[in-house]
Amino acid sequence: GAVVSQHPSWVICKSGTSVKIECRSLDFQATTMFWYRQFPKQSLMLMATSNEGSKATYEQGVEKDKFLINHASLTLSTLTVTSAHPEDSSFYICSARRLDEANVLTFGAGSRLTVL
Amino acid sequence: AQRVTQPEKLLSVFKGAPVELKCNYSYSGSPELFWYVQYSRQRLQLLLRHISRESIKGFTADLNKGETSFHLKKPFAQEEDSAMYYCALSGPDTNAGKSTFGDGTTLTVKP
Repeated sequence: GAVVSQHPSWVICKSGTSVKIECRSLDFQATTMFWYRQFPKQSLMLMATSNEGSKATYEQGVEKDKFLINHASLTLSTLTVTSAHPEDSSFYICSARRLDEANVLTFGAGSRLTVL
Repeated sequence: AQRVTQPEKLLSVFKGAPVELKCNYSYSGSPELFWYVQYSRQRLQLLLRHISRESIKGFTADLNKGETSFHLKKPFAQEEDSAMYYCALSGPDTNAGKSTFGDGTTLTVKP
């Protein structure tokens, strides 16, 4: 079945540093990937839509200069949290749309970011 | 604007009892509805989609366009069904095919 790998699964960083999270579709091509934040026992908050070969589309209220998204290939999207602050600490999840199952999402396992 | 509402944040039932997780939506076109499940310490995964009209792990969900609902049902809940369940909507009119998720319902099945 379709698998999405997300790395790292957890990361701790100092305030002011940048952190990159990778999202890879291992056995299928994904023209579109999505990035979310998930708060404890709460829903997913869609942050942005990552489109291969073009700029990401950000949801209202999400700072594009703070959350840089790059989708350089059909199997890889990256989210970089720049100048991280403690309030950026969260669980970040990616998902990918398969070309042959356009509306079905395959999720990564998530990345726990803790900013000290 | 499209919207998915899951009115129950928490739902608790005893093992063997029927369970229904409610989902209502608003969408102007022809939506595709999904249920995703997240078990403890696991990633979100697709449970079922309305166009498949199949039963997964004993769960079924019927799209009711008149009531704009897509409730998830299981006649006899099991302890291993305890998880967080998300109802989601997608459609041809949505921007880049992105899905809209409900806030989720945490189901606890007690022994």
